[in-house]
Amino acid sequence: GAVVSQHPSRVICKSGTSVKIECRSLDFQATTMFWYRQFPKQSLMLMATSNEGSKATYEQGVEKDKFLINHASLTLSTLTVTSAHPEDSSFYICSARTRGNTEAFFGQGTRLTVV
Amino acid sequence: GQQLNQSPQSMFIQEGEDVSMNCTSSSIFNTWLWYKQEPGEGPVLLIALYKAGELTSNGRLTAQFGITRKDSFLNISASIPSDVGIYFCAGRILTGGGNKLTFGTGTQLKVEL
Repeated sequence: GAVVSQHPSRVICKSGTSVKIECRSLDFQATTMFWYRQFPKQSLMLMATSNEGSKATYEQGVEKDKFLINHASLTLSTLTVTSAHPEDSSFYICSARTRGNTEAFFGQGTRLTVV
Repeated sequence: GQQLNQSPQSMFIQEGEDVSMNCTSSSIFNTWLWYKQEPGEGPVLLIALYKAGELTSNGRLTAQFGITRKDSFLNISASIPSDVGIYFCAGRILTGGGNKLTFGTGTQLKVEL
């Protein structure tokens, strides 16, 4: 099956710094990528949808200036958490799909801890 | 954002038992998906349902798309220890919702040997 890889799998950063998470589709062209956040023992909440070459569409309540999403190529999307604070600590998961009626494949997730 | 109500929230069952869980919504969905998530990993798709009333199997797993289009069910037969994990349903509304998925609250399955 299709492979979506996230990097890093875990990251610890200091409060006030920024951290970038990468999401790559390894064996297909991802025309659309989705970014989710999952707090402990909770469900996945969609943060934003990005289509290659265009600006991301953010869900209500998600600050676009804080969570910068770039989808510059058909195989890579990045999520940058700017000026991170402890409350941003969470499990961030991306998914990617190609054109057509196919389901998206999920990455393995990135555990962000802000100290 | 909207979430789907999933029940039960958690289950602790004996190996070999059958498991049932369901997902309900106040909205109509065009697609129902069932995922399994293990600790520290992303969700993995188990079964996809695209038509009301559809019943689909994947090995020991069987899922159904409710005829009202507001619910779905997942059954696991003869559970084994590796079935442990969190199961999420997800629904998609095609009109106006693009390809966005709404996830359920999850059912945590624990299997006792």
